[in-house]
Amino acid sequence: ETGVTQTPRHLVMGMTNKKSLKCEQHLGHNAMYWYKQSAKKPLELMFVYSLEERVENNSVPSRFSPECPNSSHLFLHLHTLQPEDSALYLCASLPFVGTVNTEAFFGQGTRLTVV
Amino acid sequence: QKEVEQNSGPLSVPEGAIASLNCTYSDRGSQSFFWYRQYSGKSPELIMSIYSNGDKEDGRFTAQLNKASQYVSLLIRDSQPSDSATYLCAVREKSSGDKLTFGTGTRLAVRP
Repeated sequence: ETGVTQTPRHLVMGMTNKKSLKCEQHLGHNAMYWYKQSAKKPLELMFVYSLEERVENNSVPSRFSPECPNSSHLFLHLHTLQPEDSALYLCASLPFVGTVNTEAFFGQGTRLTVV
Repeated sequence: QKEVEQNSGPLSVPEGAIASLNCTYSDRGSQSFFWYRQYSGKSPELIMSIYSNGDKEDGRFTAQLNKASQYVSLLIRDSQPSDSATYLCAVREKSSGDKLTFGTGTRLAVRP
C-alpha cells in the first residue's frame, strides 16, 4: 500500500462513452502526475499538476481532460476514446520540489480497455 | 538525446549472482534519483532513492550515483527469480521543476 489509491482498477468503455479515472492521496504531497503505459512500452508522461496547477501537458489529445480540484485528488476525464487508448493509466504523487524527501509513489493503476 | 537512458535488456543472470543495472541522464542539475521495480501488468514500486554521490545500500540492493559522469546504477546481490521484473530509472530534474522523468526500463531475468 503506497498511500495512493486509483479507482476503478479496471474499466471497459465504448468509444462513445464518457468516463473518469480517479486518483487520491493523503500523503501530504503537492504534485500529482498522470502516466500512460501501453503494452510493452515505457511510461509516457501525460499531465503534471503542482499545487493544483497544471504545469505540463505532454501533447495529449483533447479527448483526455485532467482535473485537480485539490492537492489530494486528481481526475482524468475520458470521452470519445479510440481503441489505441487502451492502456494502463498510472497516477503518481510526490512532494513539492525543494523538499528533502522527494520520493514519488504510484497508485495501482487503472487498466483501461476501449472497445 | 533521451533525457534518461537505460539498456532495455533483457539482462539474464543466474540465481545467486549479482545483477548490475545502469542508467545515464542528461540534466547536470538533477538532484534526485530513483529505482523502481515493475512486474508485468503492475504499477512501479519504489525500491531505492539516492540523492548524493556514492553508494547507498538497502538489504540486497545498492544504488550508486556519480554526478560527474551523470550515471546511476543499481546492484542486486544474491539475485532471486522473484527479482525478475523491469527496473525503471527515474530522475527528478531541477531544470523542469516537478517533472519526474523515467527511462525505458531494463528487463531483468533471473534464471533458477
